[in-house]
Amino acid sequence: GDSVTQMEGPVTLSEEAFLTINCTYTATGYPSLFWYVQYPGEGLQLLLKATKADDKGSNKGFEATYRKETTSFHLEKGSVQVSDSAVYFCALEGGKGGYQKVTFGTGTKLQVIP
Amino acid sequence: DTGVSQDPRHKITKRGQNVTFRCDPISEHNRLYWYRQTLGQGPEFLTYFQNEAQLEKSRLLSDRFSAERPKGSFSTLEIQRTEQGDSAMYLCASSLVGTSGEQYFGPGTRLTVT
Repeated sequence: GDSVTQMEGPVTLSEEAFLTINCTYTATGYPSLFWYVQYPGEGLQLLLKATKADDKGSNKGFEATYRKETTSFHLEKGSVQVSDSAVYFCALEGGKGGYQKVTFGTGTKLQVIP
Repeated sequence: DTGVSQDPRHKITKRGQNVTFRCDPISEHNRLYWYRQTLGQGPEFLTYFQNEAQLEKSRLLSDRFSAERPKGSFSTLEIQRTEQGDSAMYLCASSLVGTSGEQYFGPGTRLTVT
């Protein structure tokens, strides 16, 4: 079945450091890929998405490129802020039939220190 | 605010008791999903509705779990004869048909079974 593998956390960075959170996936067909973020005490929010190979999703300074050849969708940000501290989930939408099941990774906790 | 709401936010119950959670999705969204999330894991799919029809259920959803969406608006998730293993965060999300990966999540209901 479909699956998503994320790098384990927590990831601790200093403010203004470069961020990469790795995500790889296994899926049949051509899934859509997503990054969700969960800030402390809040619900999950969609951060960005990419629906086909070589698409780049971007939002709030975060970027991720859909790499079909390496089945990856790594999340990057050039300069993190304390307010980026959260748990980040990689997800894919795939499957057959009318319902496209969404499968989430286990999440990577990011802590940014001043 | 017209986001997804869930009630209650926290529920503590004794083993063997029944509990019911409510989810109010974004009003124009016709798809509604229930997930379960345990510490250090991503959301695990339980079931989903399109309008009032329950179209898919996970094998995780034992016969002690039942969900309804009687008028295609709010939904309830009931757990009968709760067990300690049911302790988790129960998440509700909604979306429009055709945008399943773009789900809007509620804050969750944290269930503790003692």
